Amino acid sequence: AQSVTQLDSHVSVSEGTPVLLRCNYSSSYSPSLFWYVQHPNKGLQLLLKYTSAATLVKGINGFEAEFKKSETSFHLTKPSAHMSDAAEYFCVVRPTGNQFYFGTGTSLTVIP
Amino acid sequence: NAGVTQTPKFQVLKTGQSMTLQCAQDMNHNSMYWYRQDPGMGLRLIYYSASEGTTDKGEVPNGYNVSRLNKREFSLRLESAAPSQTSVYFCASSDSDRMNTEAFFGQGTRLTVV
Repeated sequence: AQSVTQLDSHVSVSEGTPVLLRCNYSSSYSPSLFWYVQHPNKGLQLLLKYTSAATLVKGINGFEAEFKKSETSFHLTKPSAHMSDAAEYFCVVRPTGNQFYFGTGTSLTVIP
Repeated sequence: NAGVTQTPKFQVLKTGQSMTLQCAQDMNHNSMYWYRQDPGMGLRLIYYSASEGTTDKGEVPNGYNVSRLNKREFSLRLESAAPSQTSVYFCASSDSDRMNTEAFFGQGTRLTVV
């Protein structure tokens, strides 16, 4: 069975401080993993993806994620939060084949 | 390059009315998807189509039907709308023949059933 767990439904950080959004997955196979961002009333934009080429993946807007197979985790980080980072973030797993499985999302608030 | 285009962007229906949400992609992707997004629940798959001429149920298919009209277009129909179908609907596509490719999303349709 495939599933994705985002460990925090809400995260608040001060502007300029680090961001950590946590994601754990379960998959019978070596999956592809993704982080998407959704700004209010907008569609979903790909932040980054893990495709087995490297365990540390760099994405857009300074975000990174590290794939840790032993921990079945794919946490999203950013060294310094910006006000424009306030959004909903989704961790997504694609085990094999056609389907994508979404976590329930983490809402990030950035405090000025 | 338009990507994935959904219409309409907003819709209000009365209970029992029917409507069709349209989706088209111009990336020559073989797989297309319909999701609904509800607060605190992430995106849940309604139906997907792995290729032209095929459709499969996802996690929450009840009350919906789909048609993969051709490779570009994948429509979602509500035959008799219910308030529980108030949601934001997203269409997506992917090139699922290639491993490790992501899904591309439309801008969403905000549907309210009263």
